[in-house]
Amino acid sequence: DSGVTQTPKHLITATGQRVTLRCSPRSGDLSVYWYQQSLDQGLQFLIQYYNGEERAKGNILERFSAQQFPDLHSELNLSSLELGDSALYFCASSRNQGFQETQYFGPGTRLLVL
Amino acid sequence: ELKVEQNPLFLSMQEGKNYTIYCNYSTTSDRLYWYRQDPGKSLESLFVLLSNGAVKQEGRLMASLDTKARLSTLHITAAVHDLSATYFCAALNYGGSQGNLIFGKGTKLSVKP
Repeated sequence: DSGVTQTPKHLITATGQRVTLRCSPRSGDLSVYWYQQSLDQGLQFLIQYYNGEERAKGNILERFSAQQFPDLHSELNLSSLELGDSALYFCASSRNQGFQETQYFGPGTRLLVL
Repeated sequence: ELKVEQNPLFLSMQEGKNYTIYCNYSTTSDRLYWYRQDPGKSLESLFVLLSNGAVKQEGRLMASLDTKARLSTLHITAAVHDLSATYFCAALNYGGSQGNLIFGKGTKLSVKP
């Protein structure tokens, strides 16, 4: 158990809908990272937040957005969902802001868009 | 644009043998990361390599980074079945967005008795 929690574990929804994925980092970790894993795209880094502020941005679609709250949990919002958004979404956390140290991954949220 | 290539993509090994997984990247990056993923599971961070010449070892796995050659290797010594998993490398792209991790496609390792 990495100490990173993600909810929900599974999510089934329809095209055009909006969903919110939630991530709670390990105690004391200030950075949260989001990743997408799909058969088509492989593993992709989406976005990173550090202590409430966006710090790095990867291949995140405009339909997707994220935020980190004062209690350091983070949410990834996916809107106008398409079939191709079906994937595993992982979050990870680390103590500091840079990509300089081990990241601890949550169990993931499996999203299925029908 | 930073691209990361791993090879081989599939590797079947016998227990007790040694092998190396290669990770090449296309443009300058001085940070390289290795991850492990068991089937149906999440990712586990294995190594963070932060400079040219960095070498890190954990058990039967050793990772190294040569930034001049744009190459990282993950060496497996005396493989055991428990090492069966998919291994990903990722390089850090310092583009204007302050950092974007680019992943390779992964190497699926199967260690057979």
